Amino acid sequence: QVQLVESGGGVVQTGRSLRLSCAASGFTFRTYGMHWVRQAPGKGLEWVAFMSYDGRNKYYADSVKGRFTISRDNSNNTLYLQLNGLRAEDTAVYYCAKREYNWNYLDYWGQGTLVTVSS
Amino acid sequence: DIVLTQSPDSLAVSLGERATFNCKSSQSVLYTSVNRNCLAWYQQKPGQPPKLLISWASTRESGVPDRFSGSGSGTDFTLTITSLQAEDVAVYYCQQYYSDPCTFGQGTKLEIK
Repeated sequence: QVQLVESGGGVVQTGRSLRLSCAASGFTFRTYGMHWVRQAPGKGLEWVAFMSYDGRNKYYADSVKGRFTISRDNSNNTLYLQLNGLRAEDTAVYYCAKREYNWNYLDYWGQGTLVTVSS
Repeated sequence: DIVLTQSPDSLAVSLGERATFNCKSSQSVLYTSVNRNCLAWYQQKPGQPPKLLISWASTRESGVPDRFSGSGSGTDFTLTITSLQAEDVAVYYCQQYYSDPCTFGQGTKLEIK
């Protein structure tokens, strides 16, 4: 069965960095595009970033462009999100999610990892 | 970016009754080459990640009870729960995948009356 397990969250000061990981299993990771979606406390879902199956294409939300970097290691079935220049408004649960093969609806989600940015 | 507006923001329905959620898109999400609407619905229960219920506006995912149904086309979509069960208490989100970036509605919170 498909499993996505995020890690790397924690409490960090404003301006610092963090790297999130998402370990994937139960499907052929190297053939699927992957997304990061976040959810601030008590708020709705916000798409953050996407990377194609082969890493050639990546897209970011305007709110994180230039600060966050998505990457993947297909040999280790892992997706990453590097968070730099963190701000208070980046405080959220970060989910990794698998897209359907050809379309960007998200058929499997991880449990999420909480990032708290404090001053 | 395509903006999705859900209504109402919250909904209280009695057990066994019908619950209806609306999602309006700022532009059509009908992908004409495949004649399908690029609109999904997700359910998020407290403390859990979202779960995909419906894709292509009306295609139920495997294992989703048939009391959940989706309808609509173009810019206006509806998710219906025909006979509300206690376990359906959640926030429901629509999402468009017609164009990048994919975007979500703000969600509708469902409670038991």
